[in-house]
Amino acid sequence: AQSVTQPDIHITVSEGASLELRCNYSYGATPYLFWYVQSPGQGLQLLLKYFSGDTLVQGIKGFEAEFKRSQSSFNLRKPSVHWSDAAEYFCAVGSNTGNQFYFGTGTSLTVIP
Amino acid sequence: DGGITQSPKYLFRKEGQNVTLSCEQNLNHDAMYWYRQDPGQGLRLIYYSQIVNDFQKGDIAEGYSVSREKKESFPLTVTSAQKNPTAFYLCATGVLPGNEKLFFGSGTQLSVL
Repeated sequence: AQSVTQPDIHITVSEGASLELRCNYSYGATPYLFWYVQSPGQGLQLLLKYFSGDTLVQGIKGFEAEFKRSQSSFNLRKPSVHWSDAAEYFCAVGSNTGNQFYFGTGTSLTVIP
Repeated sequence: DGGITQSPKYLFRKEGQNVTLSCEQNLNHDAMYWYRQDPGQGLRLIYYSQIVNDFQKGDIAEGYSVSREKKESFPLTVTSAQKNPTAFYLCATGVLPGNEKLFFGSGTQLSVL
């Protein structure tokens, strides 16, 4: 069965520090992988996506993620966090038929000055 | 997200009452989705529709109903059979085939009086 695991419920980092949010997935075929960000009381905004090709993908707001098939992982990284990055982050896997997406439980990011 | 309108922003339901959440899109997207978001549980799929007059149950469809009479509209009714309706509800759309990403509305917070 398809599933997404985000093992970190909450992460706190200092502004300017590096960030890595973990995501592991279980999927029977080649996955489509996504990272979304959500501000309180708002919908989700796509940060980046991976379908095929280069396993290191660049997204908006300075984020990047690396697909590692051997580890079934798609971790999100940012070299220097800004206070405005504080939000909830969701990893998701989608089928190539486009009819379903599966989301992780999210990681809440707090940024301290 | 631009092009997807969810209304109302906040909704209160009395016991035994049915309530309907609106989702309208002007993106001309084929697919529409309803997700429920609870703290610590991420997003769970309620229903989705890939074409007018057709829709499929997601993982937690019990106590909910939908219709897709127009491409632009995908209303969700929370029936009295849903005993724990308090949650944040998100509508999303996507382009078929492949659904390269989901576009999200800004959500409706439903609470029980």
